[in-house]
Amino acid sequence: EDQVTQSPEALRLQEGESSSLNCSYTVSGLRGLFWYRQDPGKGPEFLFTLYSAGEEKEKERLKATLTKKESFLHITAPKPEDSATYLCAVPSSGGYNKLIFGAGTRLAVHP
Amino acid sequence: DAGITQSPRYKITETGRQVTLMCHQTWSHSYMFWYRQDLGHGLRLIYYSAAADITDKGEVPDGYVVSRSKTENFPLTLESATRSQTSVYFCASSSGTTTNSPLHFGNGTRLTVT
Repeated sequence: EDQVTQSPEALRLQEGESSSLNCSYTVSGLRGLFWYRQDPGKGPEFLFTLYSAGEEKEKERLKATLTKKESFLHITAPKPEDSATYLCAVPSSGGYNKLIFGAGTRLAVHP
Repeated sequence: DAGITQSPRYKITETGRQVTLMCHQTWSHSYMFWYRQDLGHGLRLIYYSAAADITDKGEVPDGYVVSRSKTENFPLTLESATRSQTSVYFCASSSGTTTNSPLHFGNGTRLTVT
């Protein structure tokens, strides 16, 4: 069964304190892994797509990496505006148009 | 403004009533999706549409009906609302399949069934 698990569920950081969020997946034949950011009361906003092990993508203080079993979202020197829920998702092995989402990691960055 | 709009933003209804949630996008994207988001479950796909008049079930379609007579609109109907359908509903669109095109989400409809 396709599954996406994110850890930790919640993370509290001080401004400037770097850390990483984890997304582990079990899916037959990975066809991409997506990271989204969700602010309270809003829909998820696309961040990155990764397709193959070893691939990395960067955007401002965020860097996403991918291995054969998991992805990491590294946050370097975070700021309070990075506070959000970060979601990862993979296409279901049963259908190209079905994304399986993890439950997300709630990140709070305090000044 | 271009984008994806959901209405209403908030809805309270009673058990057994029919409710329709609206979704409109201005990008002319071929694909549209309905997800529900619940604590502990994350986002789950209800239905999706690859084009006008083409729809398909997702993970949790029971109790829901969709239609897509025009490319830009993708309404979701709860035929007889139940308390278990209390949730936040998100509509999304994409220009291609989910393997090569990111989803663009609306800001959601928070539905409460009493």
